[in-house]
Amino acid sequence: NAGVTQTPKFRVLKTGQSMTLLCAQDMNHEYMYWYRQDPGMGLRLIHYSVGEGTTAKGEVPDGYNVSRLKKQNFLLGLESAAPSQTSVYFCASSPPRRAYNSPLHFGNGTRLTVT
Amino acid sequence: DQQVKQNSPSLSVQEGRISILNCDYTNSMFDYFLWYKKYPAEGPTFLISISSIKDKNEDGRFTVFLNKSAKHLSLHIVPSQPGDSAVYFCAANDRGSTLGRLYFGRGTQLTVWP
Repeated sequence: NAGVTQTPKFRVLKTGQSMTLLCAQDMNHEYMYWYRQDPGMGLRLIHYSVGEGTTAKGEVPDGYNVSRLKKQNFLLGLESAAPSQTSVYFCASSPPRRAYNSPLHFGNGTRLTVT
Repeated sequence: DQQVKQNSPSLSVQEGRISILNCDYTNSMFDYFLWYKKYPAEGPTFLISISSIKDKNEDGRFTVFLNKSAKHLSLHIVPSQPGDSAVYFCAANDRGSTLGRLYFGRGTQLTVWP
């Protein structure tokens, strides 16, 4: 059981380039999230999705787009990368919140550097 | 605006002793609290949680205490082991949200030395 898988694990981009980060989960979870982690900042929510075909903005959505065409996949796109987007990106999934024992399950992260 | 605060960026404890990690929150709507543990180059993993209807939850060496009036929670690890060395994130969710979105603190790096 793989859980939440993120690809790629590492990437270096030049300013202005674009890329897509892929997240796949095999737990049949309805909810999926993209977080970024920066030193001293904790985890901040970029975008999230409560089901196939739906997405919504989190607290730091600027410069990112997302798509959820299939329930198991959640894609994060950077249209024109900027050095401020250098970060570690984590994808997570969870069942609907009605169960208290439904914490987020995280992937191992994608380390992105924008030069 | 940080709604979940972990004011100690680091904590160093000797093996066998108690580790106490603290967390404060400002949003009175928060009703569910979690602790996540994160090793380098890995994603955060769920450790323990507590609902606001309780003031204590225990799981083996880990106990979380919640003081709603003070908007404060703490994680106790007894006894601490070197393998507990990691970053610990406190997180919270509010009762007004049907979404499982969590608000995270900035984390505390715990180092347990032999």
